Amino acid sequence: GAGVSQSPSNKVTEKGKDVELRCDPISGHTALYWYRQSLGQGLEFLIYFQGNSAPDKSGLPSDRFSAERTGGSVSTLTIQRTQQEDSAVYLCASSTSQGALYGYTFGSGTRLTVV
Amino acid sequence: DAKTTQPPSMDCAEGRAANLPCNHSTISGNEYVYWYRQIHSQGPQYIIHGLKNNETNEMASLIITEDRKSSTLILPHATLRDTAVYYCIVRVYTDKLIFGTGTRLQVFP
Repeated sequence: GAGVSQSPSNKVTEKGKDVELRCDPISGHTALYWYRQSLGQGLEFLIYFQGNSAPDKSGLPSDRFSAERTGGSVSTLTIQRTQQEDSAVYLCASSTSQGALYGYTFGSGTRLTVV
Repeated sequence: DAKTTQPPSMDCAEGRAANLPCNHSTISGNEYVYWYRQIHSQGPQYIIHGLKNNETNEMASLIITEDRKSSTLILPHATLRDTAVYYCIVRVYTDKLIFGTGTRLQVFP
């Protein structure tokens, strides 16, 4: 597709369950971010992948959160033992390495609700 | 620590120019000024960026002061669809993109 695709668009899960959120970046984009946005709040940086470099995981809030990027393309954000405070919209963004200068393209996000 | 300071909210009449200020007094010589906006429930959208010269594109103009310590994003003819949260970000382009709290712009009829 032409844009960044995220799935699912909505996810409701029970507290304590694990969830996986998927991001399909624009083809050829080497840089990929995950952010989360709680209701009424700003965007919180989670993790940053740039090409073959080690990811910058400095924004992950706890060891229940992890992310991987397979083959330099699709990325999966995994939240283990979900808690109610994990409820938020999770946003993915991607760019070419040069495009990092010109801006990132964001997906529409996955709205996660932990009940 | 936040690298930028923006007013939390602003109003603008439809059809008028919206001028959104941003202070970045500690900006480094190799840091760019970026503007993004987020319309309700959508992912952020890139608007414009600049280093030291003023920039213009189809969406907006960016005016950067000569000392680079502040900038203004100008939407020349605001429409109701420009109602959004606008984020001013300074960064070296190889750095990760960190969002602050932004300015909530309300365009009214």
